[in-house]
Amino acid sequence: AQKITQTQPGMFVQEKEAVTLDCTYDTSDQSYGLFWYKQPSSGEMIFLIYQGSYDEQNATEGRYSLNFQKARKSANLVISASQLGDSAMYFCAMREGTDSWGKFQFGAGTQVVVTP
Amino acid sequence: DAGITQSPRHKVTETGTPVTLRCHQTENHRYMYWYRQDPGHGLRLIHYSYGVKDTDKGEVSDGYSVSRSKTEDFLLTLESATSSQTSVYFCAISEEAGGAPYEQYFGPGTRLTVT
Repeated sequence: AQKITQTQPGMFVQEKEAVTLDCTYDTSDQSYGLFWYKQPSSGEMIFLIYQGSYDEQNATEGRYSLNFQKARKSANLVISASQLGDSAMYFCAMREGTDSWGKFQFGAGTQVVVTP
Repeated sequence: DAGITQSPRHKVTETGTPVTLRCHQTENHRYMYWYRQDPGHGLRLIHYSYGVKDTDKGEVSDGYSVSRSKTEDFLLTLESATSSQTSVYFCAISEEAGGAPYEQYFGPGTRLTVT
């Protein structure tokens, strides 16, 4: 069963605007980690941000922030002040609890196109 | 940049032939992973390793085997390649935080075409 759902296959955003990428997850573990990665057209995978299930504060890294709503099982990525270089595919991923620590699962991704 | 390389970077092979992809790291990380990426599916985990000779299956392990005889190398083998295994294969390594795998660093990918 799909454990990571990204419902937006693609979206356009204007330069300097903020954009929110949706991610919902499904787990019964209490301890888990949530990650966002960026994949530009060149193909490399770039780590953006991490949120642990016990972290009380939403994670932030520069222009990236993670809107973590544990009760709703959502971990949306917010990119503020979009730049042309933000055009890429974005993946949400989850690493579940102790028994399956190595098993990261990825969503299908959201293609973001930033327009001038 | 994390020291992780993949070889070969591109390969075309025929159905039924064996294929081995190599992932090499210079970071001495315990966790290593093999993923495949196909349109509409994101990355799907094939196998992963949590130490030398310690490996486990991911969600799409059928038709694939792995070996890890040294910390730095993780090999992915397609025993008898099929056209459904045409894909881009990514290797990744992971740091640990409190014993759990944390941020993953990805290799450049291998584009495999099975004809």
